[in-house]
Amino acid sequence: AQTVTQSQPEMSVQEAETVTLSCTYDTSESDYYLFWYKQPPSRQMILVIRQEAYKQQNATENRFSVNFQKAAKSFSLKISDSQLGDAAMYFCAYRRNSNYQLIWGAGTKLIIKP
Amino acid sequence: ETGVTQSPTHLIKTRGQQVTLRCSSQSGHNTVSWYQQALGQGPQFIFQYYREEENGRGNFPPRFSGLQFPNYSSELNVNALELDDSALYLCASSSYPPPSGVMNTEAFFGQGTRLTVV
Repeated sequence: AQTVTQSQPEMSVQEAETVTLSCTYDTSESDYYLFWYKQPPSRQMILVIRQEAYKQQNATENRFSVNFQKAAKSFSLKISDSQLGDAAMYFCAYRRNSNYQLIWGAGTKLIIKP
Repeated sequence: ETGVTQSPTHLIKTRGQQVTLRCSSQSGHNTVSWYQQALGQGPQFIFQYYREEENGRGNFPPRFSGLQFPNYSSELNVNALELDDSALYLCASSSYPPPSGVMNTEAFFGQGTRLTVV
């Protein structure tokens, strides 16, 4: 069975600095997707970035980028120039290519210090 | 902003009662998934509906059931509520392409229904 592990329950960063959130996963599949979702107090899950396992190039979305290490089954999220609006719970998630079922980590609470 | 709406936003029920949660999927989306998110945890997959049929289920008992309607909206029903059913219930909609296609569109989530069982 696939599992997703986030080992950092909470992280804090000074505004405008860079922070990295960690995620590891376990799967025997070769074709899958990995995601980072943001959940602010409004509770709605918002997709931050996604990575296709077959792509070697790390995904980037503006200030958000990932470090995808397929062999190590590691998928970290780097947030550059942190902003107060980035404060939220961040969840790492996995799904196989064959369905939409997402498997989630326990989340990391990100605190931005002004 | 996404077009996935869930109702109600909050709900308090008594143990043993039954509850129905509703989800309207985003326009053009034909697949709905439901997740349970207990406080301080990541979501857990309950089940998924595609073309009005359940086509995937997580480790949840049969008292968790669902429906999908021709307009792709969906309901989650929970019978014989237990205290541990207290959680945020999230609905996500997505678009499944023709059978030969690849699932390369992502899910959009609603704001969830906070269910409290007392």
